[in-house]
Amino acid sequence: QSALTQPPSASGSPGQSVTISCTGTSSDIGKYTYVSWYQYHPGKAPKLMIYEVTKRPSGVPDRFSGSMFGNTASLTVSGLQADDEADYYCSSYGVINNNPYVVFGGGTKVTVL
Amino acid sequence: VQLVESGGGLVQPGGCLRLSCVASGFTLSDYWMHWARQVPGKGLVWVSRIRGDGRETNYADSVKGRFTTSRDNARNTLYLEMCSLTAEDTAVYYCGRDEVLGSGSLQHWGQGTLVTVSS
Repeated sequence: QSALTQPPSASGSPGQSVTISCTGTSSDIGKYTYVSWYQYHPGKAPKLMIYEVTKRPSGVPDRFSGSMFGNTASLTVSGLQADDEADYYCSSYGVINNNPYVVFGGGTKVTVL
Repeated sequence: VQLVESGGGLVQPGGCLRLSCVASGFTLSDYWMHWARQVPGKGLVWVSRIRGDGRETNYADSVKGRFTTSRDNARNTLYLEMCSLTAEDTAVYYCGRDEVLGSGSLQHWGQGTLVTVSS
C-alpha cells in the first residue's frame, strides 16, 4: 500500500497544457483500470475530475483528460485557466495478498503562472 | 446527495473516538462508502471502505487493527470507530461515496471533521 508517486508541483501559463504523472505498482495502476483524479482546494471537499482512468463525471470540462501506460497514469489539463490552480491527487484501486485497498498519491500543486 | 460528518474533536493519545457520516439524498445501502483523511498541509490518505451491505471492509495498513468501519443503513449512517489513537492520526476525516464498485471513485464527499490527538 505504498503511496502513488506524483511530482510535487507543476505549472503552466493560461491557455497552455500541463500533465501530471502518477506512478504506482503492478498491484494497483499496472493491474486495474480504476485510477481516479481529484482536484482539491484546502478547506473544501475533493472534487472528482476523472475516474476509471479516462472517464469524466458530468460537469467536468473536457479540458481535463486522463490516460495510462504500464504502471503510470497521467492527468492532462488543457487550456489552463486561473480556476485550475489547485492541488491534484490521483488514486488507484489495488490488491495485495488478496487484500483490496485504495491508495492516493502525494498530490501535485498546479500553479497557473 | 449530501454527506455530513460529525464526532471529531480533541482526544488523548491512546484514546478512542467514533466518527459518524449521515447520508441523505440517496439509498446508502446501494453504495460502497469510504473514509479518507488529510493531515493539514499534507496529502490525502485512504483509511477504509465498506460494502453496501456492510459485509466487507478493508483498511489501510496504518489503521488496521485500530480502526473499525461500520454502517447502519436503516439510519443512513456510516461510522468510523478509532482506537489506540496517536498524534499521527490527527487529521481532517472525510467520508465519501463510491461510484464504481468500491474502486475508490469518490464523487461525493462530506465537508470533513477534524480529529486532534493530543495530551
